[in-house]
Amino acid sequence: NAGVMQNPRHLVRRRGQEARLRCSPMKGHSHVYWYRQLPEEGLKFMVYLQKENIIDESGMPKERFSAEFPKEGPSILRIQQVVRGDSAAYFCASSPFSGGLGANVLTFGAGSRLTVL
Amino acid sequence: DQQVKQNSPSLSVQEGRISILNCDYTNSMFDYFLWYKKYPAEGPTFLISISSIKDKNEDGRFTVFLNKSAKHLSLHIVPSQPGDSAVYFCAASGIGNTGNQFYFGTGTSLTVIP
Repeated sequence: NAGVMQNPRHLVRRRGQEARLRCSPMKGHSHVYWYRQLPEEGLKFMVYLQKENIIDESGMPKERFSAEFPKEGPSILRIQQVVRGDSAAYFCASSPFSGGLGANVLTFGAGSRLTVL
Repeated sequence: DQQVKQNSPSLSVQEGRISILNCDYTNSMFDYFLWYKKYPAEGPTFLISISSIKDKNEDGRFTVFLNKSAKHLSLHIVPSQPGDSAVYFCAASGIGNTGNQFYFGTGTSLTVIP
């Protein structure tokens, strides 16, 4: 009965490389959210996905960032041509319902910490 | 545009006393509020929630109060224990123009002094 699984836990990339962060939601959850926590800041919403669909990507930077949640396999947050400012903790969360419905709760993974050298 | 605000970055409390963490929001469409607790190097874990149809929800040592007219909620922990030392995030969600997001505050770091 695993929770939300994120990997890798730690990722080091040099400027210009690509970073791929993976998230497997809790069993039975079909809604996935990605949040970013920059040093000394709170959790910033990035994107909300359901299987094969991006529902809300209003928090995603317009360039270099993309996310997917395929029919099979984990959700992936992809950052191309990373820069030092991308260094942060990236958290994935899942829920059984859409965020706007009452009594919904996000379950978070342990996070992936990206360091860009 | 921070729709959920936690204006106190940190709070220190003696063990056994009450901890009160505050949170304000700006969007009147929010109808569901949650508190999360986060230890270093871990993901946030759900603590307690409250629907806008209530003004209080209690779970053991944790009580959340909601004042809709003031757009304010608070988390009370009593008695506080050293293991409660963590960062606490409040979050809000709702229907309508709030979309599908959960909006989080910037967190309050609680230190319970033994």
